[in-house]
Order: sequence, then C-alpha cells, then structure tokens
Amino acid sequence: QSVLTQPPSASGTPGQRVTISCSGSSSNIGSNTVNWYQQLPGTAPKLLIFSNTLRPSGVPDRFSGSKSATSASLAINGLQSEDESDYYCAAWDDSLNGPVFGGGTKLTVL
Amino acid sequence: QVQLQQSGPGLVKPSETLSLTCTISGDSISSSYWSWIRQPPGKGLEWIGYFYYSGRTSYNPSLKSRVTISVETSKNQVSLELRSVTAADTAMYFCARGENAFHIWGQGTKVTVSS
Repeated sequence: QSVLTQPPSASGTPGQRVTISCSGSSSNIGSNTVNWYQQLPGTAPKLLIFSNTLRPSGVPDRFSGSKSATSASLAINGLQSEDESDYYCAAWDDSLNGPVFGGGTKLTVL
Repeated sequence: QVQLQQSGPGLVKPSETLSLTCTISGDSISSSYWSWIRQPPGKGLEWIGYFYYSGRTSYNPSLKSRVTISVETSKNQVSLELRSVTAADTAMYFCARGENAFHIWGQGTKVTVSS
C-alpha cells in the first residue's frame, strides 16, 4: 500500500481538462514539495512537475501542478491521445527520510 | 547530455545477492545524489536509497538491513547490492539522479528472483 493516495484511474476525451489528485499527510505533502512523473508502459518514469508547480524543460505547459495543505493535484489541459499513461505523485517524507510515491493513476484518453 | 546506463543480471536465485550497476555519462558522480528505485510488476514505485559523493547514504528502513549503495568513482558508477533476495524483490530496478525530484533515470533493469 502506497504512502500517498491517488485514484487508480482517470479518463477524458481529447481537448478536455483532467485532474489527478494525490493525498498525503503532514510528514510528506504537508511539509514538503510535490513532484509528478509520467510513465509509459515499459519505460522509466519521466519528471513532469517538480517543486509543486515547476515544469522541466520540454514539458508542455498543458501540464500544471498545485498543492494545498496535505493534498496535491496534477492538471492536464487540452488532453491529447499521447497523454495516455500512468502518472505518479511523490514527495519527501520526513519520517522515512526519503521520497514516497503514490500508487499511480492510469489515464485513459477516450 | 547526462545519461545513465544500467547493467546487471536479470535473474537472481532466492537467498542470493542482487547486484546492479549504473554507469553515468555526461556528468560527474561527485555532482549529485544518486538513487535506486524499484517497481514490482503492476505496482507503484518504491525508493530504495541514495548515495551522495561525500559518502553519505540513506536507505528505506524496510530494506536497510539488506541494502548497500556504493560508488566506483574512477568508473563513474553507482552500484546497488540487495542481499538475501526473495520473490518479493522481483521488480524493475531504476537508478536515478537526485534524492527527491528525479530528473534523469536509467533505462531500468527487470530482475526476477527465481530458482
């Protein structure tokens, strides 16, 4: 069972806005920044959002992150077929003294 | 361009030691933290631990008694050893640059624990 809680699945149609939630606690999201990863089947995760809201170079601005208290969200605007993937949230955990991950959300583009 | 190339056996027998290596190109091993993360089949990601060039290490408490992460500076490599493996250690193993936000990842090594 993962430390951070994500919905197992999400879906949307092309052009739609989709959000994926991530819930944690005071020892992780509540006191540290959140990162988001995109993982296509059989490949390594790719950093999508770091420090709650920042995008690495090359990540489209359709992707955005937000955080409030012990929860965070990833939003994808203008959904595209290539966005169909697994998405993971992560945050440093002060109790573990290391990063913890969500269980992942499988996004389907209908 | 920083690249991480992983190597190591894809099959390990129960009770033996899993050993993987991550060779870093385009960067110096002394420039950052280097982490190992694993992903059991069909499941989420689990942090294993990290190494910092100063010699500082940190491990997931659930694996700490069986894990060693070390570096070979002359070869710009970071290595993972996981001892006394069981079927529960079957997973895809990744090396990554950093200790929290992982910007760069290795390609992954699928490791199966089976006799």
